[in-house]
Amino acid sequence: GENVEQHPSTLSVQEGDSAVIKCTYSDSASNYFPWYKQELGKGPQLIIDIRSNVGEKKDQRIAVTLNKTAKHFSLHITETQPEDSAVYFCAASKPAAGNKLTFGGGTRVLVKP
Amino acid sequence: ETGVTQSPTHLIKTRGQQVTLRCSSQSGHNTVSWYQQALGQGPQFIFQYYREEENGRGNFPPRFSGLQFPNYSSELNVNALELDDSALYLCASSLAGTASYNEQFFGPGTRLTVL
Repeated sequence: GENVEQHPSTLSVQEGDSAVIKCTYSDSASNYFPWYKQELGKGPQLIIDIRSNVGEKKDQRIAVTLNKTAKHFSLHITETQPEDSAVYFCAASKPAAGNKLTFGGGTRVLVKP
Repeated sequence: ETGVTQSPTHLIKTRGQQVTLRCSSQSGHNTVSWYQQALGQGPQFIFQYYREEENGRGNFPPRFSGLQFPNYSSELNVNALELDDSALYLCASSLAGTASYNEQFFGPGTRLTVL
């Protein structure tokens, strides 16, 4: 089955700096790659996603890039703010599996003021 | 638009007992997926329900079962609880049959502790 690896497991950045989280996936049939933000005591919140027919997608300070050949995708957060501190998860799904999501292990991001 | 809701928020059970967790999907959504999230890990897919039938299952034993009702709400039942079942149980809803069917929206979860 699909396997998603996520790095780093923890990331500490200074407010205003950029943060980058990287994920790799194993199944070349995967075609949908969402990113979720999870704050303490809450469920994961979908923040951005990308489909395999697109190489890059941006939404304000957040961007995601996808390299299908290398089977990896990344989340970029620019001009980080303290409220960006949370655990971020990448995930992957493929058509044959309905919309079952396979998640990475998560990255704890701490933005220091 | 009403988001995904789950009940209860917290639950404490003892080993061997049975538990039922409940989920109301986001308004207009027809598919519900359940995930188990152990402390410090990513969510793991348990199963999905569409049109009141199981539509895919992860690597979980049969003592994990579910239901979906005509109003698209759902239940997760776990029998013969084990200590390792202690986790955050997340429900996610989505809308099958549209271009955005992949997009899953999660509820706040139910924290289950098995003693």
